[in-house]
Amino acid sequence: KAGVTQTPRYLIKTRGQQVTLSCSPISGHRSVSWYQQTPGQGLQFLFEYFSETQRNKGNFPGRFSGRQFSNSRSEMNVSTLELGDSALYLCASSSGMSVITNYGYTFGSGTRLTVV
Amino acid sequence: AQTVTQSQPEMSVQEAETVTLSCTYDTSESDYYLFWYKQPPSRQMILVIRQEAYKQQNATENRFSVNFQKAAKSFSLKISDSQLGDAAMYFCAYTGANSKLTFGKGITLSVRP
Repeated sequence: KAGVTQTPRYLIKTRGQQVTLSCSPISGHRSVSWYQQTPGQGLQFLFEYFSETQRNKGNFPGRFSGRQFSNSRSEMNVSTLELGDSALYLCASSSGMSVITNYGYTFGSGTRLTVV
Repeated sequence: AQTVTQSQPEMSVQEAETVTLSCTYDTSESDYYLFWYKQPPSRQMILVIRQEAYKQQNATENRFSVNFQKAAKSFSLKISDSQLGDAAMYFCAYTGANSKLTFGKGITLSVRP
């Protein structure tokens, strides 16, 4: 079974630009979550999509947005990039079942975004 | 809000020895899951072990086992017969009804040959 695929692996952008990151979950998984990882703040939850609907959202400004397509692939977009947005962005997929049957989350290798 | 605390930033273990990584959490939920994830330099987060809160029996996966103390809200990971490939960053994580993962700050484990 193919794993979670994130593209691109690396990205360098200039302040003020916008960026789109892509995540393809494991086949059959309907939930896709996004996390930001930085040395200072650690791993922080951005949002989760399930069956094309945002199910949960973290405490990030509106510049961070996402969407999910009918094939469960997800994209996240960051507009008006700031230096502080430099981070590793990780995507995780799961079956999306209830907390009673949560078998864990499978992560991709992440996209390293550098804002200069 | 749920919190996960990993108070040790770094640990070191001799190859073939046993090491225990500590984690405490705080929650008011009764149904939840706890996880340990490993993140090697390749960056990919790898699930090491999971524990359902309603199960009293501690989870075990080969050389990895947990000591889950629900009343104390403690969830430590024991790695037996440590191998060089175990060197990585380890994260303790919690998920409850809202299905989002809350992570601890992580601990860097080094393995001495």
